[in-house]
Amino acid sequence: NAGVTQTPKFQVLKTGQSMTLQCAQDMNHEYMSWYRQDPGMGLRLIHYSVGAGITDQGEVPNGYNVSRSTTEDFPLRLLSAAPSQTSVYFCASSYSVMVAGVGEQFFGPGTRLTVL
Amino acid sequence: RKEVEQDPGPFNVPEGATVAFNCTYSNSASQSFFWYRQDCRKEPKLLMSVYSSGNEDGRFTAQLNRASQYISLLIRDSKLSDSATYLCVVNNNDMRFGAGTRLTVKP
Repeated sequence: NAGVTQTPKFQVLKTGQSMTLQCAQDMNHEYMSWYRQDPGMGLRLIHYSVGAGITDQGEVPNGYNVSRSTTEDFPLRLLSAAPSQTSVYFCASSYSVMVAGVGEQFFGPGTRLTVL
Repeated sequence: RKEVEQDPGPFNVPEGATVAFNCTYSNSASQSFFWYRQDCRKEPKLLMSVYSSGNEDGRFTAQLNRASQYISLLIRDSKLSDSATYLCVVNNNDMRFGAGTRLTVKP
């Protein structure tokens, strides 16, 4: 049981390049999400998904796309990288989508992205 | 105003000390609350959920005050291994994180 895995661990991009951050979980969780973490800002939600085929925007979605074709995978695409997207990106999953909100989330180890 | 606010610290305490963190939230409709722990350059991990009646897990006690919209975390008998950043998390339809409070426990 690997939990939540993310690749790559580190990435350097040039402004304008595109790339996909990979996220996978093997816990059969319905809820998956992407966050970015910047100093002094806490984690901010980019996009989330409550199940295969369903995605929605979070707090800071601009410049990012997601898709959820399977329960296991939730890739995050940067369309045209900008220096403002330099951050640490965390993928997370949760076993429940409760009426009252999302339950405990399990996080991947993160991807450290630098955009020059 | 941020949705979830925490004192960033840092809190520097000696081993054995008791330390308390507070967190305030702005959305009165928020329905569930958590404390997460994050070690340096690692992912956040759930420390404990916060219930209306208050809850305790060993040396850790969490309290929720809905009327005043704040959450607290008390750590008794601090250990060196408690050094980390503690994140307050508030759920409505998605999770909102505070920026975290850094704790350093010194020998």
